[in-house]
Amino acid sequence: GAVVSQHPSRVICKSGTSVKIECRSLDFQATTMFWYRQFPKQSLMLMATSNEGSKATYEQGVEKDKFLINHASLTLSTLTVTSAHPEDSSFYICSAGGRAYEQYFGPGTRLTVT
Amino acid sequence: GENVEQHPSTLSVQEGDSAVIKCTYSDSASNYFPWYKQELGKRPQLIIDIRSNVGEKKDQRIAVTLNKTAKHFSLHITETQPEDSAVYFCAAGLGGGATNKLIFGTGTLLAVQP
Repeated sequence: GAVVSQHPSRVICKSGTSVKIECRSLDFQATTMFWYRQFPKQSLMLMATSNEGSKATYEQGVEKDKFLINHASLTLSTLTVTSAHPEDSSFYICSAGGRAYEQYFGPGTRLTVT
Repeated sequence: GENVEQHPSTLSVQEGDSAVIKCTYSDSASNYFPWYKQELGKRPQLIIDIRSNVGEKKDQRIAVTLNKTAKHFSLHITETQPEDSAVYFCAAGLGGGATNKLIFGTGTLLAVQP
């Protein structure tokens, strides 16, 4: 089956610093990758759609300058949380689009901002 | 944009009983409806999906039904087992195109009592 990895799995950073999260599709090429945020006991909230070689499309209410997304290749998308604050602490999950309809999720990154 | 509602938020059943989770969506253009199972701290796993040209799909103990007219779709789990305990999310999206983005329901915490 399709395998998506995410790195790091956990990260703790100080307020004001930036954190980069990587999402890789290991056994298939993903033209489109998605970034979600999930608070404890809540649903997955789509943050942005990342298309290889073009600018990401952000959902309403998501700050483009705070959550920088780069999709430089068909197997790698990165999310950088800039000038992180404690309210940015969350579980960030990426997914990669399959052949047509399916999405396969990475294992997630637990971000804690102190 | 698309809005997905999911009920119930929690569901407790006895082992061997059936469980039904229902979702409604708002965008009549949506044509792809997956269901994901998420265990605590882990990634969502695709368990079954259905496209709008099909009314029902079954995979062993799991089935999904879709009523396009009413914009309802449901997950049915028969002969539940303790390992079915998890949070289940429905989603709706417009698959097959460049974006393929999914909007998720709020989730159902299923507890199967042994």
